[in-house]
Amino acid sequence: GEDVEQSLFLSVREGDSSVINCTYTDSSSTYLYWYKQEPGAGLQLLTYIFSNMDMKQDQRLTVLLNKKDKHLSLRIADTQTGDSAIYFCAETTFNKFYFGSGTKLNVKP
Amino acid sequence: DTEVTQTPKHLVMGMTNKKSLKCEQHMGHRAMYWYKQKAKKPPELMFVYSYEKLSINESVPSRFSPECPNSSLLNLHLHALQPEDSALYLCASSRSTGGGNYGYTFGSGTRLTVV
Repeated sequence: GEDVEQSLFLSVREGDSSVINCTYTDSSSTYLYWYKQEPGAGLQLLTYIFSNMDMKQDQRLTVLLNKKDKHLSLRIADTQTGDSAIYFCAETTFNKFYFGSGTKLNVKP
Repeated sequence: DTEVTQTPKHLVMGMTNKKSLKCEQHMGHRAMYWYKQKAKKPPELMFVYSYEKLSINESVPSRFSPECPNSSLLNLHLHALQPEDSALYLCASSRSTGGGNYGYTFGSGTRLTVV
């Protein structure tokens, strides 16, 4: 639950794909989530994946789940400057939400 | 209405002041939360209310006092805060405490500065 890890920074060029990785700890988590936070704002739910799924696609977003390795990733296709933000993965354990440390995505024009 | 509304957006208070943060949702969610977020850090859970009853207190100092007057409102009363309490305070709600396939809906937060 409490040691959800992410790399701190990712920099990509506009139009490229971005892949943000997360390692979670609780194999019993039913749902895993990706949130986006823009500067000075709250958190916006981007997508989620149910634990019995390996992949979920939602427009430009693709979530991959490897339960064996407890690894979750978020791929953003055709990354735009508006995608620049901090991205948090999150898992739920015993009715608590645990957030990863957050990955700051910087998109260069 | 699919939003969580927090007021005020910004608050500056002295260490001897008493103030309150307010949070409101009209989505029929029965779980509501307070989180504290310091700069460049993930949100940290403070309190969980389920069906208007406090179910989780993450060992938060008593200078923070939550209140849930009804199923749509959540308050956080502040008294005798310290400068290190300066942070973004986020309210969230969900259909149930497990999050489910809707996750948590977050407000945009109150930026608190203690001087």
